Amino acid sequence: KAGVTQTPRYLIKTRGQQVTLSCSPISGHRSVSWYQQTPGQGLQFLFEYFSETQRNKGNFPGRFSGRQFSNSRSEMNVSTLELGDSALYLCASSNDRGLTGELFFGEGSRLTVL
Amino acid sequence: DAKTTQPNSMESNEEEPVHLPCNHSTISGTDYIHWYRQLPSQGPEYVIHGLTSNVNNRMASLAIAEDRKSSTLILHRATLRDAAVYYCILRGSPRGKLIFGQGTELSVKP
Repeated sequence: KAGVTQTPRYLIKTRGQQVTLSCSPISGHRSVSWYQQTPGQGLQFLFEYFSETQRNKGNFPGRFSGRQFSNSRSEMNVSTLELGDSALYLCASSNDRGLTGELFFGEGSRLTVL
Repeated sequence: DAKTTQPNSMESNEEEPVHLPCNHSTISGTDYIHWYRQLPSQGPEYVIHGLTSNVNNRMASLAIAEDRKSSTLILHRATLRDAAVYYCILRGSPRGKLIFGQGTELSVKP
């Protein structure tokens, strides 16, 4: 069974640009969530999508957005990039078994903003 | 969101048991206790979860205090591959969201 696939794995952008990251969940998983990991703040929840609808949202500015397609693949977008957006962006998928469900994480997309 | 408190780092010797503590004094009755770990250069991976009773699986054991205000992840025989950051997480409502703390960085010495 293929795991969670994130693309691209590494990318470099400059301030003011925008970026789109992609996540393909495990087949059959309908829940996809996104996390930002930085050395200073650790792992922080961005948002979660289920059946193409945003179900939960973390405390990030509106520059961070996402969407989910009918095949459960998800994308997240960051507009007007800032230096502080440099981070590892992790995607996780789940079969949504409520509070006991296991999340499967991808290896992440490492974004560097110059 | 209910919070967890873990030591920043711990050391262990290879093939010895490791007890990783977690305090969660504000846990609510419906919160599950989950543990994830993150190996270097990888995304987090699920380790174990429980509600009230102690739990065992092939990776580890989870011991939960009777009042549920603390728990301990037990690795029965640490290996070098167990060196990682271990996160104790309370999972409640909303269910799709995991709140990670700073975790415990476990180092394993040969």
